[in-house]
Amino acid sequence: GAGVSQSPRYKVAKRGQDVALRCDPISGHVSLFWYQQALGQGPEFLTYFQNEAQLDKSGLPSDRFFAERPEGSVSTLKIQRTQQEDSAVYLCASSLVADLSYEQYFGPGTRLTVT
Amino acid sequence: AQSVSQHNHHVILSEAASLELGCNYSYGGTVNLFWYVQYPGQHLQLLLKYFSGDPLVKGIKGFEAEFIKSKFSFNLRKPSVQWSDTAEYFCAVNANTGGFKTIFGAGTRLFVKA
Repeated sequence: GAGVSQSPRYKVAKRGQDVALRCDPISGHVSLFWYQQALGQGPEFLTYFQNEAQLDKSGLPSDRFFAERPEGSVSTLKIQRTQQEDSAVYLCASSLVADLSYEQYFGPGTRLTVT
Repeated sequence: AQSVSQHNHHVILSEAASLELGCNYSYGGTVNLFWYVQYPGQHLQLLLKYFSGDPLVKGIKGFEAEFIKSKFSFNLRKPSVQWSDTAEYFCAVNANTGGFKTIFGAGTRLFVKA
C-alpha cells in the first residue's frame, strides 16, 4: 500500500515569505507527527495530532509555526515570515494508533531552503 | 532535560566486521526505545524497538539491541556487517506518559567498505 507522502519535496522561499508543507499519512492512521531535521542532526519533534486533535505542540519553535489536520487525515504545516534558521528538512510520520510504542512511518520529507 | 546521546557520529567498517553503536538516554519513567535506519535515498524506517519484556530485542537484517535499564542504554549490534548496511542509524526514545514527544539522537553514519 501507499506510504506517507509529502509535498513539495523541495521548497525555496525568500526570507519573510509564508510556506505551507503538506503531509498525506497512511490511510487510517490515527497519529501524525511533524519533525524538523537540521543538517547533521536527528529529527526534532514539532507537534502531534491524534485524529484531528492537536494534542502536543510543545516542539513548535515559535508562533510563526502552525499545523492543522482538520479532517483527521491530511495535515499542513505552515511557517509564516520564514527566517534563515527555518531551513531544514521537515518530516512527517504517521502511526496506526495513539500508543507511542508503535512504529512511526516516515515520509520522504520536504527540504526547505530560506534565502 | 530529556535527551538521547549517540556516541559515534561516523563509523567505517570492513565487511564481516562486528558493529556496536552506542545509545544512552536521559528520560524519566518507563520508556519505549527505537532504532531507526535511513538507507541512502530512502525514508527513515524502523529497525527494531523495545517497549517491555525481554531486554534483548531482535530486528530486521540481523540487527539486535539490548536495553540495560541501570545504564540507560540501548546499544545496537550486528555480528557481521554487509556493504548494504551502509546507512545512517538513529536511536530514539519516548514514553506513553507526559506528552507525545519522541526524542531522537543525532545519528551515526555507518560506511561499510566492500
